[in-house]
Amino acid sequence: GIQVEQSPPDLILQEGANSTLRCNFSDSVNNLQWFHQNPWGQLINLFYIPSGTKQNGRLSATTVATERYSLLYISSSQTTDSGVYFCAVVTGGGADGLTFGKGTHLIIQP
Amino acid sequence: EAGVTQFPSHSVIEKGQTVTLRCDPISGHDNLYWYRRVMGKEIKFLLHFVKESKQDESGMPNNRFLAERTGGTYSTLKVQPAELEDSGVYFCASSRDRAYEQYFGPGTRLTVT
Repeated sequence: GIQVEQSPPDLILQEGANSTLRCNFSDSVNNLQWFHQNPWGQLINLFYIPSGTKQNGRLSATTVATERYSLLYISSSQTTDSGVYFCAVVTGGGADGLTFGKGTHLIIQP
Repeated sequence: EAGVTQFPSHSVIEKGQTVTLRCDPISGHDNLYWYRRVMGKEIKFLLHFVKESKQDESGMPNNRFLAERTGGTYSTLKVQPAELEDSGVYFCASSRDRAYEQYFGPGTRLTVT
């Protein structure tokens, strides 16, 4: 099956810093989503981005489908940005379940 | 618009007992998915319903797990009999169309003792 690798696994930053999280995948995809898992364990949708670039406030994401990677950018980090960020993909071919990466654990220190 | 809801939020049962988890998708979403995260591992896909039909159940771990979606609305996931390794968080998600954005519920934390 498809492999999804996220880097870095852990990231500690000071408030106000910028960060880039990366997601590499091993096959073509027709769905790619970024999630933020908050301290209560809930998965919050950030982006649905199988290709192209999107922005939402301080967050933006870019997926280069031909090169099989996606990037999540967080600017001017706040302590509330802390948590685990997951990338998840669907390869298609009749299977629609998301395959998740292991996540990037982000800690924003005040 | 209400999001995906799951019940119960927590369940603690003994090995060998039965537990039934419930998921209510976003209204109008024909696609419903079950996932789980056990023992700190990655979130894994279990199965996918389109309306009341099982479209893909390739992720179901064994025949102790039974999912239903009668009437194409809410879904239940029954574990019978529960084993220790079934402990984890069970998530439900729904989407309007196949291969479209999936929205997740808060999850049910299952502890088997």
